[in-house]
Amino acid sequence: AQSVTQLDSHVSVSEGTPVLLRCNYSSSYSPSLFWYVQHPNKGLQLLLKYTSAATLVKGINGFEAEFKKSETSFHLTKPSAHMSDAAEYFCVVSGTDKLIFGTGTRLQVFP
Amino acid sequence: GAVVSQHPSWVICKSGTSVKIECRSLDFQATTMFWYRQFPKQSLMLMATSNEGSKATYEQGVEKDKFLINHASLTLSTLTVTSAHPEDSSFYICSALLGGSNYGYTFGSGTRLTVV
Repeated sequence: AQSVTQLDSHVSVSEGTPVLLRCNYSSSYSPSLFWYVQHPNKGLQLLLKYTSAATLVKGINGFEAEFKKSETSFHLTKPSAHMSDAAEYFCVVSGTDKLIFGTGTRLQVFP
Repeated sequence: GAVVSQHPSWVICKSGTSVKIECRSLDFQATTMFWYRQFPKQSLMLMATSNEGSKATYEQGVEKDKFLINHASLTLSTLTVTSAHPEDSSFYICSALLGGSNYGYTFGSGTRLTVV
């Protein structure tokens, strides 16, 4: 069975500082992993995905994530936070026939 | 890219009435679509999976007679909340599976349902 754990429910950073959103996964086979962002009352936008190609995945808006099999992690990073990055972020693993969502991390960005 | 258009973005209805939410795939054929419900400040909860031309598969605990899902064409799936009650108020989001080299999932913009 697949599962995903987002280690922080809230993360606060200052504008211009790095962002780290942590995600650990559990999967009985090589997983497909995604990071989605959701702004208030909006749908989900794909930031990036890992599907067993390069372990360092670059996404939109300067985000990237590294798949580390030995640590079963897929943390999301960004070198410099922008005010517009404030949103809810979901780490997601693809199960056999559906997506399995983490509980989400709310990112706050302070000026 | 693959876009799913979801309408309406918000709706207010009276208790006892029914509400239909539509999701259309604009530039691709969506063989499989998913319907989620999201409570405030919580993650998405899968309600059902629909495949074009067949009956939807509902997750445990989801009332199929209350949440009617129709996926009659490759570009349209609908969710009808029947006899809505205030506890049905929520944010509903659809998603479509993308196959091939674009493997992944694309999401609609969501519908905020308020039942008064």
